[in-house]
Parts: sequence; structure tokens; C-alpha cells
Amino acid sequence: QVQLQDSGPGLVKPSETLSLTCSVSGGSISGYYWSWIRQPPEKGLEWIGHIYHSGNTDYNPSLKSRVTISVDTSKNQFSLKLSSMTAADTAVYYCARDPSAGGFLDYWGQGILVTVSS
Amino acid sequence: DIQMTQSPSSLSASVGDRVTITCRASQSISSYLNWYQQRPGKAPKLLIYAASSLQSGVPSRFSGSGSGTDFTLTISSLQPEDFATYYCQQSYSTPHTFGQGTKLEIK
Repeated sequence: QVQLQDSGPGLVKPSETLSLTCSVSGGSISGYYWSWIRQPPEKGLEWIGHIYHSGNTDYNPSLKSRVTISVDTSKNQFSLKLSSMTAADTAVYYCARDPSAGGFLDYWGQGILVTVSS
Repeated sequence: DIQMTQSPSSLSASVGDRVTITCRASQSISSYLNWYQQRPGKAPKLLIYAASSLQSGVPSRFSGSGSGTDFTLTISSLQPEDFATYYCQQSYSTPHTFGQGTKLEIK
């Protein structure tokens, strides 16, 4: 059974860079797309971007200037960096797997609440 | 970006009811439409992919239909555990946008 575990700080100061990692267990990171999605409190879901195991990425244009997604196949992990954080970036951040490049997400991490505050 | 619009935004229904949620795309997305269920405090769960394919392990009372710009999610007989928020998502082109959600509440 594939499991995703996202980890990182729950509190980030304004203007700082958020760094989150998603560790994949029960399966290989190779052969799939790996995504980041976020959800502000009491709001809907926003697709941040995804990465193929080879390193090819796509980002949401609304965040593209601030986002970097990377993959480490040796550790079976992928990561999200989001720079210049503001209060508007406060959200639950989820990692997820796209099993077929069809864009649907079949396995999700439990989510991590990131609050931007000084 | 492709805009996804769900209706209704909220819905009250009773156990045993048949419920339909609609999702409309701002342009044709073929069958690249997915449905998720989210319970409070939990990650979304994939129900339907490619408009009408039932994800493994999901009860058969859930079904999806549509193509092009108009799609529906139907729950044939509501169960207590189905009261949650439902999201559609297009995966035709990036960014893979979501609808705003439909909150299904107990009447």
C-alpha cells in the first residue's frame, strides 16, 4: 500500500521560504507524476504543480515565480519550495500521486497546516 | 486557466436520497474530469477519474458521467458516511484546476 508522508515546519515568517518534503513508501517514485496541492482554511483546493520522476515540472502560473518542485529518487522523496511567503499562503499543503499522467490523484499525504505569521 | 464551476455549492439531503452534483468547464476538457470526496480535517479521496471510471474500492453507488464541458456526479442512495464536500478537477491542461466544492449536508 502506497503511503505519502508530508513533513515540514508548521510556522513560517513572512518573506521566508517554505520547504516541505513528501516521503513515499510502499512503492517507487519512478514512473509517476507527483503533485502538490494546497487548501486555505475553509476554502477550496488549489493545484500548485507537479513533477515527473525524471524531473520535468509544471507549475501553476499564479505561483510559478515563487515555486520549485524537485525529486530525489534515491530517497523516494519529492519536495516543494515556495518563496516570499505571505499570509495569503497560509494553508494545508498536500502531496499526492498521479498514477498515469492522467492528472487524477489517487494517493494523498495527510496534509500539513502551514501558517505564515511573524 | 480552465475555470471549473460546480452546482449547487451546498445541498441538503436525507439518507437514501439520490443526489446529483454538476460540474461545468469553461472550455472543452474531453473526459479529463475527476471527482473527489473530502471529509472535515481529512485529505481528499479520489472517487471517479476520467469522467466515469470508478476508483478501486469506491462503492458502486457513486457514478460519474459527461464529456466536453458538462459533467455529473451521482450518488444513487446516500449513506451517512457520504455527507462531505465534493470537488471536481480538470486534468486536461495545467494548471489542473478544481471546482469550488459542493457541501453535502444532512437534511
